[in-house]
Amino acid sequence: DVKVTQSSRYLVKRTGEKVFLECVQDMDHENMFWYRQDPGLGLRLIYFSYDVKMKEKGDIPEGYSVSREKKERFSLILESASTNQTSMYLCASSLGTGTTEAFFGQGTRLTVV
Amino acid sequence: GEDVEQSLFLSVREGDSSVINCTYTDSSSTYLYWYKQEPGAGLQLLTYIFSNMDMKQDQRLTVLLNKKDKHLSLRIADTQTGDSAIYFCAESGFGSGNTGKLIFGQGTTLQVKP
Repeated sequence: DVKVTQSSRYLVKRTGEKVFLECVQDMDHENMFWYRQDPGLGLRLIYFSYDVKMKEKGDIPEGYSVSREKKERFSLILESASTNQTSMYLCASSLGTGTTEAFFGQGTRLTVV
Repeated sequence: GEDVEQSLFLSVREGDSSVINCTYTDSSSTYLYWYKQEPGAGLQLLTYIFSNMDMKQDQRLTVLLNKKDKHLSLRIADTQTGDSAIYFCAESGFGSGNTGKLIFGQGTTLQVKP
């Protein structure tokens, strides 16, 4: 059974903290993505990676960075958390070719206080 | 840039058909997708359609694609209370190379009344 696992379901962090959100996939997928989900805005792409150590900015990269040192793991980093980064964060992965069906993790609900 | 638009809310009675609509801007998309998100869960692929097709049927689901108008719809026949969820339309925004980047709409919340 295919699996994308996000390390936390719920997180509460303080303003200014450095926050790490971890995502692991067991499908040997080339592509991995971080999205942010907000009511009425749908899913917005923050960053994606199509290979180890490769990354590209999505639509809303400001305030975020990513790391992909191994194929199966893609980390989202909030360098200095702010209250406007309170949101649901979704990780996804997909093969590099074909239908590009994306498999999603359960999501991490981050609250910055 | 690429954009995908959906209405935010749809309410139907159990047993009726539901039709969720979506418009998109990227005419180069190869695949268009419908994802379902149940409360507290991630997104799950429901179905997809290749851009050279007009229609795809999969049990209670029918996807219609109008390429000229860049309009995609998802019809759910005999809607059940278990179909209550958020439905997302997505297109594959390829950009430079086949990165498989997906562009999502805002999501349509389907409420099914008993």
